[in-house]
Amino acid sequence: GENVEQHPSTLSVQEGDSAVIKCTYSDSASNYFPWYKQELGKRPQLIIDIRSNVGEKKDQRIAVTLNKTAKHFSLHITETQPEDSAVYFCAASIYGNNRLAFGKGNQVVVIP
Amino acid sequence: DVKVTQSSRYLVKRTGEKVFLECVQDMDHENMFWYRQDPGLGLRLIYFSYDVKMKEKGDIPEGYSVSREKKERFSLILESASTNQTSMYLCASSPPLGTEAFFGQGTRLTVV
Repeated sequence: GENVEQHPSTLSVQEGDSAVIKCTYSDSASNYFPWYKQELGKRPQLIIDIRSNVGEKKDQRIAVTLNKTAKHFSLHITETQPEDSAVYFCAASIYGNNRLAFGKGNQVVVIP
Repeated sequence: DVKVTQSSRYLVKRTGEKVFLECVQDMDHENMFWYRQDPGLGLRLIYFSYDVKMKEKGDIPEGYSVSREKKERFSLILESASTNQTSMYLCASSPPLGTEAFFGQGTRLTVV
């Protein structure tokens, strides 16, 4: 089955700086890559996703890039703010398969 | 507003007890999932269901079973609870093409 790995496990950034989280996946058939954010004590929520027919997608301060050849995708957060502090999970699946394989999560800490 | 509701936020059970975790969604989603969340291990899929009375094993099904008698309800059953099943359990649902997964608030189960 699909195996998704995330690096680094913990990331501390100064407020206003950028944060980048990278994930790798193993199954070349995967074509759907969502990112979930889980704030402390809350449920995970989708923040952005990308399908393999595009290389990059942006939504305000967040963006996701995909490199199909290298089988990795990354989450970019610009101008970080304290409310960006959370655990971020990447995932991969075959679109329509319904079964997401999640990474282990990255703890992002934004230092005011 | 979409809603996935888990019956309990916190639960304490004794070793050997039969435990039921209930999840209800009001979005008429075909797919429902049970995940287990442990520090450093991310979200691991226990079981999922893509239709009423249909179920498939996830990555860690041992010691668990599920029931889906109605479309909106998906139950996770621990036949004989053990201390290594102490964890946060998250239910989720998604529409047929498997895009955004909506999570419940989680049930923190402690087995003593």
